[in-house]
Amino acid sequence: DSGVTQTPKHLITATGQRVTLRCSPRSGDLSVYWYQQSLDQGLQFLIHYYNGEERAKGNILERFSAQQFPDLHSELNLSSLELGDSALYFCASSVAGKDTQYFGPGTRLTVL
Amino acid sequence: GESVGLHLPTLSVQEGDNSIINCAYSNSASDYFIWYKQESGKGPQFIIDIRSNMDKRQGQRVTVLLNKTVKHLSLQIAATQPGDSAVYFCAENGSGANNLFFGTGTRLTVIP
Repeated sequence: DSGVTQTPKHLITATGQRVTLRCSPRSGDLSVYWYQQSLDQGLQFLIHYYNGEERAKGNILERFSAQQFPDLHSELNLSSLELGDSALYFCASSVAGKDTQYFGPGTRLTVL
Repeated sequence: GESVGLHLPTLSVQEGDNSIINCAYSNSASDYFIWYKQESGKGPQFIIDIRSNMDKRQGQRVTVLLNKTVKHLSLQIAATQPGDSAVYFCAENGSGANNLFFGTGTRLTVIP
């Protein structure tokens, strides 16, 4: 158990809908990262927050957004969902930056 | 963008043998490298990391070797066990970035 929690574990929705994925970092970690993993693919970095502020963006679509709250938990919002958005979404946390990232169990999103 | 590649997509080894998983990276400015293990349906699990000022680091049954000259990273697993069966990802932090760039992974299968 990495100490990073993610909810929900599974999510099934329809095209055009909007969903919110939630992540709670390890106690004491200030950085939260979001990654997308499609079938048989590696992990694609989406976005990084540090202590409530956005620090880096990767290949994140404009339909996706994220935020980190004062209690350091983070949410990833996915809107106007398309079939191709079906994937595993992982959150990771680290103490600050440039250090080891610990991953949560992921949320499996299925768009029908 | 960053490019982290793996030489072999699959690797099968006999239980008790040593395993070597290789990884090539493209950014010579990368200064931090990590190996993760991902079991089916789970999030990536940290195995071992190494910074660019080192060329070797050992953990419990695992060793990471870094050859900066040829931009090559390897993970050695001693006395491979069935529980080691998983997909192994190498990751680098690019030009000192806080986020990680992952390779596509190598699937290790341990034959009892």
